[in-house]
Amino acid sequence: AQKITQTQPGMFVQEKEAVTLDCTYDTSDPSYGLFWYKQPSSGEMIFLIYQGSYDQQNATEGRYSLNFQKARKSANLVISASQLGDSAMYFCAMRESDNAGNMLTFGGGTRLMVKP
Amino acid sequence: NAGVTQTPKFQVLKTGQSMTLQCAQDMNHEYMSWYRQDPGMGLRLIHYSVGAGITDQGEVPNGYNVSRSTTEDFPLRLLSAAPSQTSVYFCASRIQGALGSPLHFGNGTRLTVT
Repeated sequence: AQKITQTQPGMFVQEKEAVTLDCTYDTSDPSYGLFWYKQPSSGEMIFLIYQGSYDQQNATEGRYSLNFQKARKSANLVISASQLGDSAMYFCAMRESDNAGNMLTFGGGTRLMVKP
Repeated sequence: NAGVTQTPKFQVLKTGQSMTLQCAQDMNHEYMSWYRQDPGMGLRLIHYSVGAGITDQGEVPNGYNVSRSTTEDFPLRLLSAAPSQTSVYFCASRIQGALGSPLHFGNGTRLTVT
């Protein structure tokens, strides 16, 4: 079974609007962390935001926030006031505490396109 | 700080050739890793290291070797290149031990095997 699922291969959003990128995960480990990365067309991987499984509040970083619903095992990324520079691939990833390789498991990604 | 530096940026190999992808980091991170990125599959872990002299296999290790003689360097060797190894390769490092420490990625190496 896939540990990280991103069901939206591609999405469009109008500039200045908010957009939600979906991510669901599967784990039986009570201690885990969830990450979002951005990959622009230039190819580099940019860390955006982190949420720990025991964190009481949803993580926020500037225009990025993470809508963490633990019971539903979802960790959706919300981008407010979209900008043209937000057009990129976005990856959700998870690390479990008992993961032997400290491995970050990635979803397949969502391509976001911001329309002017 | 340069962060994580990968070379080369692009490489074309013929089937059966060998090569080494270089990776260096200047953040004194104990943990280093190699991922490959294929369309629609996200990134998958090839090998990782939690310190000098210690390496282990990730999710897709076949056809690759690694070594870690120093904290800074973590080269990835393709022993006998195959078309299935055509991919984008990322080296990444992080602070060891903290669940929430993010991976810092290099800019990637695009490898084509013909």
